[in-house]
Amino acid sequence: GAVVSQHPSWVICKSGTSVKIECRSLDFQATTMFWYRQFPKQSLMLMATSNEGSKATYEQGVEKDKFLINHASLTLSTLTVTSAHPEDSSFYICSAYQGLGYQPQHFGDGTRLSIL
Amino acid sequence: DAKTTQPPSMDCAEGRAANLPCNHSTISGNEYVYWYRQIHSQGPQYIIHGLKNNETNEMASLIITEDRKSSTLILPHATLRDTAVYYCIVRVARGAQKLVFGQGTRLTINP
Repeated sequence: GAVVSQHPSWVICKSGTSVKIECRSLDFQATTMFWYRQFPKQSLMLMATSNEGSKATYEQGVEKDKFLINHASLTLSTLTVTSAHPEDSSFYICSAYQGLGYQPQHFGDGTRLSIL
Repeated sequence: DAKTTQPPSMDCAEGRAANLPCNHSTISGNEYVYWYRQIHSQGPQYIIHGLKNNETNEMASLIITEDRKSSTLILPHATLRDTAVYYCIVRVARGAQKLVFGQGTRLTINP
């Protein structure tokens, strides 16, 4: 149980294009989903927290107009990197939380984004 | 959330028990200890969590000291597939609390 699917797993795009990443909880409903970014040889950094049906909460320094997050249902959240540039190249990872107290978050397998 | 301190790296022989320490001296009474691991180029994998009692599941055991200021994750019979970065994270249990990842411990299992 507690499977989180992330798609695509790998994407290469030209600079200036927008890229959408999907995060789905396959066997549970996620009241909250989190989006992280990880640069090479670094730890995960939280970008934003999204609750179903409401606007995402962004961490300090994360541009909300560049990283659009939508959490339209209890099983799907999307992250859109708008007008992507090479410095946006990174490993993007989502996690999902079922909403039951101390239960853990479960993570997707990440999306490796490369902007040329 | 309380800060955690872990050794940056550890080595362990295949088949032996791997004991990964974590210090969380400022942990408060309502904070749980969570362990995740990240195998290269994958998302973090949940391992185990606990409040004050020792916990065991199919993956590992978690030993929390009586004063709760430190804990140890035990992989009883390490395999090469256990090579990963292991993260110890402390957070409160109520609501959807974000996880703050430190640098973790890079565990290498040697044949």
